[in-house]
Amino acid sequence: ETGVTQTPRHLVMGMTNKKSLKCEQHLGHNAMYWYKQSAKKPLELMFVYSLEERVENNSVPSRFSPECPNSSHLFLHLHTLQPEDSALYLCASSQDWPDNEQFFGPGTRLTVL
Amino acid sequence: TQLLEQSPQFLSIQEGENLTVYCNSSSVFSSLQWYRQEPGEGPVLLVTVVTGGEVKKLKRLTFQFGDARKDSSLHITAAQPGDTGLYLCAGARGTGKLIFGQGTTLQVKP
Repeated sequence: ETGVTQTPRHLVMGMTNKKSLKCEQHLGHNAMYWYKQSAKKPLELMFVYSLEERVENNSVPSRFSPECPNSSHLFLHLHTLQPEDSALYLCASSQDWPDNEQFFGPGTRLTVL
Repeated sequence: TQLLEQSPQFLSIQEGENLTVYCNSSSVFSSLQWYRQEPGEGPVLLVTVVTGGEVKKLKRLTFQFGDARKDSSLHITAAQPGDTGLYLCAGARGTGKLIFGQGTTLQVKP
């Protein structure tokens, strides 16, 4: 695997479910990001981790819970989501933080019923 | 709130035509990135511009950073169907936090 990978690519869940999104970067980077991309809206930064420490939390509801066990892996744990949380969730990484050149994964298309 | 306004939001042209996408802000950025995103994929970094007035070329794509580092443009010469996608600009202020525009959807018809 090369670059940034994300699983699953598609996820449909009910509002009472608990699920997790996974991201893995194979670039040797030290910083990882979660973004939300909704239709007709700019990408919204959710969380930033640098050297496994959370350095940015962009007023994200607590039903989204990130986890960064090491510099290569990033998770987004989801529970009791709302239909308006349906979106493309993108993971990105960069060599260091702050670093403006970010490399994105393919995203997870999430649908909340 | 820092905003990046992209225009146009949607563009549909014939193969071989030229086009320009604009990215404007009232804020100064330390650098600006352009990304291209295809359906079902994440954004792919095309270029980073850093210096006011800087021009960078990537084959048929020409990127320019405004003198005041508040705006940028992307010009595509002789567009091809393979250029179809969502083009995103993102401005940085050295904090590691990118401010994204809402994107320009480009459709190039054969």
